[in-house]
Amino acid sequence: KNEVEQSPQNLTAQEGEFITINCSYSVGISALHWLQQHPGGGIVSLFMLSSGKKKHGRLIATINIQEKHSSLHITASHPRDSAVYICAVRSRDSNYQLIWGAGTKLIIKP
Amino acid sequence: DAMVIQNPRYQVTQFGKPVTLSCSQTLNHNVMYWYQQKSSQAPKLLFHYYDKDFNNEADTPDNFQSRRPNTSFCFLDIRSPGLGDAAMYLCATSRDPGGNSPLHFGNGTRLTVT
Repeated sequence: KNEVEQSPQNLTAQEGEFITINCSYSVGISALHWLQQHPGGGIVSLFMLSSGKKKHGRLIATINIQEKHSSLHITASHPRDSAVYICAVRSRDSNYQLIWGAGTKLIIKP
Repeated sequence: DAMVIQNPRYQVTQFGKPVTLSCSQTLNHNVMYWYQQKSSQAPKLLFHYYDKDFNNEADTPDNFQSRRPNTSFCFLDIRSPGLGDAAMYLCATSRDPGGNSPLHFGNGTRLTVT
């Protein structure tokens, strides 16, 4: 079992839909990152969380430390949101290594 | 805007011909990382610098070296590229190590080995 599990692996939705991507992890963490990667592109850091909830524009990220679970929500989704969304955690045992989820490929159709 | 810049965006090299990828940052961050990402895989940490201290991951091949001449610049040198080294190379920075510092990534350099 991977230490960081994301679901779903693939998600296709219509423009305007509310999107939820889930991340569960099994290790003790100091932080959890949500990242976005467009095809062939670099990585954009969306959120870094260690507790609670953060919001930036149409994106919301939540984390439940007790349940070892985080969610990324996209409200009023748009075709430009189409990308791979990656959950990665920094374990308490390492200051430098990230443990990466497999990513969720999101396609938003117009 | 403060950012992490990687050059070039695309690099083609020949089998066995040394190649250097560059990364610069205007964030004045202490830590710089180099990742290798192959198709449909998660990025793999090759090494990082914390200020001038170089830290190599245990499974990073000797073929890969890095230099950080000053805070702003970090280079990835591949001494004798093989076909298996074709990948996206990502540079990232953070102010400090640990869980309190967000990561900032560059746009990556896609390396092709012919």
